[in-house]
This record gives sequence, C-alpha cells and structure tokens, in this order.
Amino acid sequence: AQSVTQLDSQVPVFEEAPVELRCNYSSSVSVYLFWYVQYPNQGLQLLLKYLSGSTLVKGINGFEAEFNKSQTSFHLRKPSVHISDTAEYFCAVSVYGNKLVFGAGTILRVKS
Amino acid sequence: DAMVIQNPRYQVTQFGKPVTLSCSQTLNHNVMYWYQQKSSQAPKLLFHYYDKDFNNEADTPDNFQSRRPNTSFCFLDIRSPGLGDAAMYLCATSSAPLSYEQYFGPGTRLTVT
Repeated sequence: AQSVTQLDSQVPVFEEAPVELRCNYSSSVSVYLFWYVQYPNQGLQLLLKYLSGSTLVKGINGFEAEFNKSQTSFHLRKPSVHISDTAEYFCAVSVYGNKLVFGAGTILRVKS
Repeated sequence: DAMVIQNPRYQVTQFGKPVTLSCSQTLNHNVMYWYQQKSSQAPKLLFHYYDKDFNNEADTPDNFQSRRPNTSFCFLDIRSPGLGDAAMYLCATSSAPLSYEQYFGPGTRLTVT
C-alpha cells in the first residue's frame, strides 16, 4: 500500500521569501503524485500533478515540484510567496486504478 | 465553467436527525467521491461511485449512505448523525480510472447540535 509523509505540519515564511514544502512517499510500484491547496472553508484545488515524463512539474500560482524517484520525494517549491498563499497544502499519491492517499497536510503561513 | 457544486455550504442538524448533503457536477466524470474532513486532518474517503457501481470503504460507518441517481448528482445521507460526525464533507469527481486527478467541490460544513 502507498503512504505519504509531509514532514512539516506548519511552515512560517515571510512574504517574498522562497518556500519548500516537503513530501515523501512510499510505494513498491510506479506512482502518480499530486499537490492540492485548501483555503479556509473551501474544497481542495489541484496545484500540480506528476503522471509521467518530465520530473519538474509546473503548476498554478507560480508553484512547481520535482519528482525524485531515488529519494521518493515530491517537494513543492515557490521562489517568492505572497500573503495570499497562506493555506493548507496536501500532497497525495496514487497508483493506477487505486484511490488517492493524502498526507496529513502542511499549513503555510506567510507573514508580512 | 465546468465545476463541482455542493449544497448547502453550511448545514446544521440535530443529534439523530437524518440529513442529506448534495453534490452535482458539470464535468461529466464517471467517478464521484465523498470525503469526510475533520479539523486539521486530511480528507478521509467514505465511498465512491464508478458510474453506477458503489464502492464503500471498509471503515465507513453504516450510518453513512450514498445515492447516485444519474451521472450529474450524488447524495450523502447520514441516517443518525452523532456529534462525532461534525465535519467538512467534500465531494469530488474524476474521469476513470480512480487514480487520476480529482476535482473537488467547495464542501459542506456539517454541525451537529
């Protein structure tokens, strides 16, 4: 079975600073990987996904993530954050034909 | 815009009083999901429909039921809500297969008094 570990429960960062949210997964087979963002009292919105191909994936709102198979990681990065990026971020993994497995989430707090 | 719609956004029900949450989609996706999300936790899958086929998660309480009368609509019925059922309920859709990206609605926040 697959599992996802988000290494930080909260990440505080100042506005315009870079940020990295860490995600590690475990699986014995090839995986699909996703990052979702959830603003307060909202549903989840897909930021980006890795299904195959290039290991560097670009998503919405200036976010990107890199799939590293040897380290079983899929860390999310943004070079310069805004106050509006304050939200909870979920990493998720799946394998073909099976449901998504979510990590516990990382709350990104952007401070002015 | 194609989307997933959930009604109502906020629902208050009394302990033990049946409640129904609704979800509709304009994406024409085969798969519809219901998740329960409690505060500061990841979404927990309750069940999903693959077309008309219902798939229940092993640990979903019997108190939770679902109906999908057509491709566009899916309902979550909680037969006898307890205080522990207070949560955000998220509906999501995807095209087959299950593992592809899912599109989420805005959620219904259920309060049980």
